[in-house]
Amino acid sequence: NAGVTQTPKFQVLKTGQSMTLQCAQDMNHEYMSWYRQDPGMGLRLIHYSVGAGITDQGEVPNGYNVSRSTTEDFPLRLLSAAPSQTSVYFCASSYSGLSFSGLAGVNGELFFGEGSRLTVL
Amino acid sequence: AQTVTQSQPEMSVQEAETVTLSCTYDTSENNYYLFWYKQPPSRQMILVIRQEAYKQQNATENRFSVNFQKAAKSFSLKISDSQLGDTAMYFCAFMNYNTDKLIFGTGTRLQVFP
Repeated sequence: NAGVTQTPKFQVLKTGQSMTLQCAQDMNHEYMSWYRQDPGMGLRLIHYSVGAGITDQGEVPNGYNVSRSTTEDFPLRLLSAAPSQTSVYFCASSYSGLSFSGLAGVNGELFFGEGSRLTVL
Repeated sequence: AQTVTQSQPEMSVQEAETVTLSCTYDTSENNYYLFWYKQPPSRQMILVIRQEAYKQQNATENRFSVNFQKAAKSFSLKISDSQLGDTAMYFCAFMNYNTDKLIFGTGTRLQVFP
């Protein structure tokens, strides 16, 4: 099973460049999200989506765009990269919206990708 | 805004011993969920255990159990019979009942020694 697949795993950018981190899941999960992980900061939610065509902001959305045109894919776009965006990025998905999962008695577990390490010079 | 605090940046334990990782959170909500996630050196995050706030009984999963103190807003993780494979970063996380935002703490790095 592929699970959650993130590409690329490593990327170096120059300030001002744009790029897209790809995330795909093959589990037919409705809920998808992007986190960034920084030393001493834990994981912080950037954006999330509860289904195709629906996205919302997390804790640290500035500088990032997302879209959800299909259930499977949830790309994260950096339009003009800045050194402050140097981080490890994780995509995660769940069977349905986490809150719904909880109400329905489903585990509500998030399935994570392996992460993408981004360095902005 | 909800916050999750893990006050122990690093912990160590000898193999077969028991260790407890601390987590506190702040919320004005009454209904929510709490989680412990494990991140081994491979970087992939793995769910360890989950607790619903409305349940008084503490959750357990094999060697992993929690001590959930709702009034104190405390959610500690106890690992019994520690194994070398338990070496990882452990994250406490919080989610309100009717939102889809999972908020993580800063993590505790656990090292299990032989």
